[in-house]
Amino acid sequence: NAGVTQTPKFRVLKTGQSMTLLCAQDMNHEYMYWYRQDPGMGLRLIHYSVGEGTTAKGEVPDGYNVSRLKKQNFLLGLESAAPSQTSVYFCASTDRTNQPQHFGDGTRLSIL
Amino acid sequence: DQQVKQNSPSLSVQEGRISILNCDYTNSMFDYFLWYKKYPAEGPTFLISISSIKDKNEDGRFTVFLNKSAKHLSLHIVPSQPGDSAVYFCAASTNTNAGKSTFGDGTTLTVKP
Repeated sequence: NAGVTQTPKFRVLKTGQSMTLLCAQDMNHEYMYWYRQDPGMGLRLIHYSVGEGTTAKGEVPDGYNVSRLKKQNFLLGLESAAPSQTSVYFCASTDRTNQPQHFGDGTRLSIL
Repeated sequence: DQQVKQNSPSLSVQEGRISILNCDYTNSMFDYFLWYKKYPAEGPTFLISISSIKDKNEDGRFTVFLNKSAKHLSLHIVPSQPGDSAVYFCAASTNTNAGKSTFGDGTTLTVKP
């Protein structure tokens, strides 16, 4: 059972480039989340989804877009990467409220 | 305004002793609290949780205490082991917010052999 898988694990981009981070879960969870973690800080919610075809903004959504076309996949897009988006990105999922979230191992993204 | 705060960025304890990690919150609507453990280059993993209707929850060496009047929770690890060395995140959620959790900044625990 793979749980939550994030692709890619590492990426270096130049300012202005675009890319998509993929999150896939095999637990049939309804809720999925994208976080970013910066040094010395906790996880900050970028966007989330409460089911297939739905998305909503989190705490720090600017500069990012998301899509949830299939229940098992949650994509995070950067249309025009900026150095301030250098971070480690984590995807998570859960099956209902007030339950633990299951996390992927993260994508380390550097933007030069 | 940070709703979940872990005021100690780091903690160092000797193997076999007790580790106490603290967390404070400001939102009285939070009704579910969790601790996650994170090793380098890995995602956080769930450790233990507590509902607001309880004041204590135990799981082996790990115990979480909740003081709702003080808006404070703590994680006790007894006895501490070198493998417990990791970053510990406190998180809080409500039953009405789509499963979203608010995280603290984490405490790095180092257990010395």
